[in-house]
Amino acid sequence: SAVISQKPSRDICQRGTSLTIQCQVDSQVTMMFWYRQQPGQSLTLIATANQGSEATYESGFVIDKFPISRPNLTFSTLTVSNMSPEDSSIYLCSVEGGDRGRETQYFGPGTRLLVL
Amino acid sequence: GNSVTQMEGPVTLSEEAFLTINCTYTATGYPSLFWYVQYPGEGLQLLLKATKADDKGSNKGFEATYRKETTSFHLEKGSVQVSDSAVYFCALSGWAAGNKLTFGGGTRVLVKP
Repeated sequence: SAVISQKPSRDICQRGTSLTIQCQVDSQVTMMFWYRQQPGQSLTLIATANQGSEATYESGFVIDKFPISRPNLTFSTLTVSNMSPEDSSIYLCSVEGGDRGRETQYFGPGTRLLVL
Repeated sequence: GNSVTQMEGPVTLSEEAFLTINCTYTATGYPSLFWYVQYPGEGLQLLLKATKADDKGSNKGFEATYRKETTSFHLEKGSVQVSDSAVYFCALSGWAAGNKLTFGGGTRVLVKP
């Protein structure tokens, strides 16, 4: 499985500001995913990021609020823009690996964000 | 669409007790099924998976069998340890949904010494 790192691991931010979260993988991957985990909740997919194309956002998430970059096959960033306390969550990136038809997603350690 | 339902927690057990977490799913076609574990303060780790009917996934003493007839993927461990205290997520992915993961709500397990 891939080794995935995220920066920062945690942050405390003021409302109205923006935070960019980085996700680095130790091998080249085609598909990367960004999830949000609100306190005490399950994971919700924000968007799918493929290298060389625009990210695909899930219902309820928009590019202006969560712009994503995917400059190469080992790196992606998610920005949480104009933050409010409701954005306080864990943000996780994941990558897809495994044989075709047996794909598995592997997750980074997450970024814990608290917005005051 | 795809959905996953798992038993609500918290589940509180004593060490060496038997653990079962129920998971049922609704999906188009033949999804792959997963259990992920989230230890306190950490991200998600893949615990085990099964990609076709009757497959049994196993890891760290945990097991789950892909039951297509009952659309279930229940997680079991015969003797839990305090270190198994975590939140467990059942999930599925399928080609029809672009291999996106659909998660259950998570089950918090607390093992007491």
